Amino acid sequence: SSELTQDPAVSVALGQTVRITCQGDSLRSYYPSWYQQKPGQAPVLVIYGEDSRPSGIPDRISGSGSGNKAFLTITGAQAEDEADYYCNSRDTSHNHVLFGGGTKLTVL
Amino acid sequence: QVQLQESGPGLVKPSETLSLTCAVSGGSINNNDWWSWVRQPPGKGLEWIGEIFHSGNTNYNPSLKSRVTISVDKSKNQFSLELTSVTAADTAVYYCANYKRRNVNWFDPWGQGTLVTVSS
Repeated sequence: SSELTQDPAVSVALGQTVRITCQGDSLRSYYPSWYQQKPGQAPVLVIYGEDSRPSGIPDRISGSGSGNKAFLTITGAQAEDEADYYCNSRDTSHNHVLFGGGTKLTVL
Repeated sequence: QVQLQESGPGLVKPSETLSLTCAVSGGSINNNDWWSWVRQPPGKGLEWIGEIFHSGNTNYNPSLKSRVTISVDKSKNQFSLELTSVTAADTAVYYCANYKRRNVNWFDPWGQGTLVTVSS
């Protein structure tokens, strides 16, 4: 199907590790990109490709995937990681762009 | 470092046309990237609207395709969005973004976004 699915909400204790999942058929063809969005702000790219980070993104944030699933992992979550996270990919069969519904990460 | 800035009316009446412009600075719109519009209704997720290449080639979200036109003005280094016959459901923060299409694809950078409210 031509969509990306994410869990609506995930929580993690401060300093622990959390994995956010994105699922969709397009992920078999393309690595996704991942965006962090804090309230009132524009999305910010955090991961693209297999596991590439733009400058300024901490290395505790990483990406991985297998088959039709992709994962964003935050190792040692910090309070500033609390945000909405969106995955994104391209639907090559229809030549358009897909966004997941977003995952709200709460750091406890 | 490329920067993007959206501009346009913050209030549009129902059934009218929403028009926004994205000014590109710090780089040329004539590069190998695509230029996109993404919107976010209040309290909801991101929705891709469409994209344009400097040649004028476009792709649109199928759910909006009948109402959307994206155009590019290379002389002004900017691109624009028109959305016709708007309703309250089109109320959203509208972002423009640079979209890189390589063997992997990503949006970076994004504009700060502009809230457009559809109301009489």
